[in-house]
Amino acid sequence: EAQVTQNPRYLITVTGKKLTVTCSQNMNHEYMSWYRQDPGLGLRQIYYSMNVEVTDKGDVPEGYKVSRKEKRNFPLILESPSPNQTSLYFCASSFGGQTREYNEQFFGPGTRLTVL
Amino acid sequence: EDQVTQSPEALRLQEGESSSLNCSYTVSGLRGLFWYRQDPGKGPEFLFTLYSAGEEKEKERLKATLTKKESFLHITAPKPEDSATYLCAVQASGTYKYIFGTGTRLKVLA
Repeated sequence: EAQVTQNPRYLITVTGKKLTVTCSQNMNHEYMSWYRQDPGLGLRQIYYSMNVEVTDKGDVPEGYKVSRKEKRNFPLILESPSPNQTSLYFCASSFGGQTREYNEQFFGPGTRLTVL
Repeated sequence: EDQVTQSPEALRLQEGESSSLNCSYTVSGLRGLFWYRQDPGKGPEFLFTLYSAGEEKEKERLKATLTKKESFLHITAPKPEDSATYLCAVQASGTYKYIFGTGTRLKVLA
């Protein structure tokens, strides 16, 4: 089944404790992205990756890191989480930005993160 | 600054009562405009992509249209299962970033 998977689905942590949220897709997509969703603010893009080793900032990159060492994986790293990073996080993937017909994104199920 | 505004924030319809959702956008050149549906606790699900003014796409009871400044998602004779949050997003020319609106929460009553 074609899908985007995220782990963990739920995470409660404390301020300053480094964490990684994994994202994996099995559709051979070139483009991958991370979003956070907050009430009243909608979906905001954190980082995106056009292909392996190519990443760029979205609108809210502060406090986050990403890496794209393999085409299928795009982990989100919070090196020193703070309470304002409490949010619902979504990973998404698509065939890429070069050919417009393949710009639809497929989203993962979400990771609900609470930072105390 | 690229921006997407959706209205109304929330909409309640009776089953069979047709209506439209609005997505206004400001971008320096449009690569594409996207509509997604999001059910509570789930990730957004793709509905349509529109690329140029005048373009229209349909899927079951949904029809999306695009002008140079806005897009409409028309819902014809909605059913309770159409209840969801509908999200609009744009991708500007020369960039691979996506800008999402805050969505319209649709509730269809039986």
